[in-house]
Amino acid sequence: KAGVTQTPRYLIKTRGQQVTLSCSPISGHRSVSWYQQTPGQGLQFLFEYFSETQRNKGNFPGRFSGRQFSNSRSEMNVSTLELGDSALYLCASSLGDYLYNEQFFGPGTRLTVL
Amino acid sequence: TQLLEQSPQFLSIQEGENLTVYCNSSSVFSSLQWYRQEPGEGPVLLVTVVTGGEVKKLKRLTFQFGDARKDSSLHITAAQPGDTGLYLCAGLFSGTYKYIFGTGTRLKVLA
Repeated sequence: KAGVTQTPRYLIKTRGQQVTLSCSPISGHRSVSWYQQTPGQGLQFLFEYFSETQRNKGNFPGRFSGRQFSNSRSEMNVSTLELGDSALYLCASSLGDYLYNEQFFGPGTRLTVL
Repeated sequence: TQLLEQSPQFLSIQEGENLTVYCNSSSVFSSLQWYRQEPGEGPVLLVTVVTGGEVKKLKRLTFQFGDARKDSSLHITAAQPGDTGLYLCAGLFSGTYKYIFGTGTRLKVLA
């Protein structure tokens, strides 16, 4: 069974630009969560989508948005990039159960903002 | 605001030694998970604990959830170089599907 794939793996952008990251979950998984990982702040929750609906949201500004398609693939968009947006962006897919929800993470997209 | 504090932040030990990593919070969690992340990869789930006081063993790793479901510990017996990595705890807030990750413990086991 194929794992979670994220594209692109690496991205370099300049301040003010926007970027779209893509995540393909494991087949059969309906939940996709996005996280930002930085050395200073660690791994922080951005949002979670389940069956095309945003079910939970973290404390990030509105420049960070996402969506999920009917095939469960998800995209994350960051507009008006800032230097501080440089990070590893991870997506995780799961069946969407509650307590024993096993999240499977992709390898991440390394975003560098110059 | 980081709600899950892990200690220690860094740990460098010799092969064969034992170690314990702690994950503490003032919040109550419905469940708590432990992950290990290696360079260039996403975190991989090791265990999920749900019941206060619950203890789970995975080979040389022992996980415990605090009685009040606010803290957890990970104990590794006879550490091996293959245990090297970043260990993360993640708590699930009651009634949500929102996971808060801990600050992380970077472990290095020397051969």
